[in-house]
Amino acid sequence: GESVGLHLPTLSVQEGDNSIINCAYSNSASDYFIWYKQESGKGPQFIIDIRSNMDKRQGQRVTVLLNKTVKHLSLQIAATQPGDSAVYFCAERKTSGSRLTFGEGTQLTVNP
Amino acid sequence: DAGVTQSPTHLIKTRGQQVTLRCSPKSGHDTVSWYQQALGQGPQFIFQYYEEEERQRGNFPDRFSGHQFPNYSSELNVNALLLGDSALYLCASSLGPGQVGSPLHFGNGTRLTVT
Repeated sequence: GESVGLHLPTLSVQEGDNSIINCAYSNSASDYFIWYKQESGKGPQFIIDIRSNMDKRQGQRVTVLLNKTVKHLSLQIAATQPGDSAVYFCAERKTSGSRLTFGEGTQLTVNP
Repeated sequence: DAGVTQSPTHLIKTRGQQVTLRCSPKSGHDTVSWYQQALGQGPQFIFQYYEEEERQRGNFPDRFSGHQFPNYSSELNVNALLLGDSALYLCASSLGPGQVGSPLHFGNGTRLTVT
């Protein structure tokens, strides 16, 4: 079935480096995408979202890029900090409904 | 501004028992969705409630049921618990059932262990 998935299960970076977390989706009917951060023992925390009529959206230290041609979504985190260590999920949602389909997540570890 | 709150935070039940989980949505939100998250996996959609009715449902058996109250709070009920029901149950709220641009806000979940 159609689903949203992530390329890498783990990513390790040095503090201060930029991080890039990737996500591939297969549902062409999805036109809204969201990145969530989940720390141990907590629920997913909204980071940033993007609609399919956009290619890029920036937030505070984060940027989401959407490439609809290859159905690829990425999250860039600038100047990664130890507090960024968490599991990151991308999720997609269709306009006809509001359920989110999540990928399996990428565990980001920031080394001091 | 209170976010999404869930209770209890942890729960241990025996196979065959029934459980009720509770959720209060973020202030100003009127739609509640429930997700099940197995260890090491992404959350899976169970169902969504809006205007006190179930609006959408994921691929979960009828043992999973819910309710939404006039104050928008919600309950998730699971009957005849199985070992495989052990998971983190997440409640998420939003403004409206299908508004793109209204991201879901999640609570910290209820950790259910079935023995």
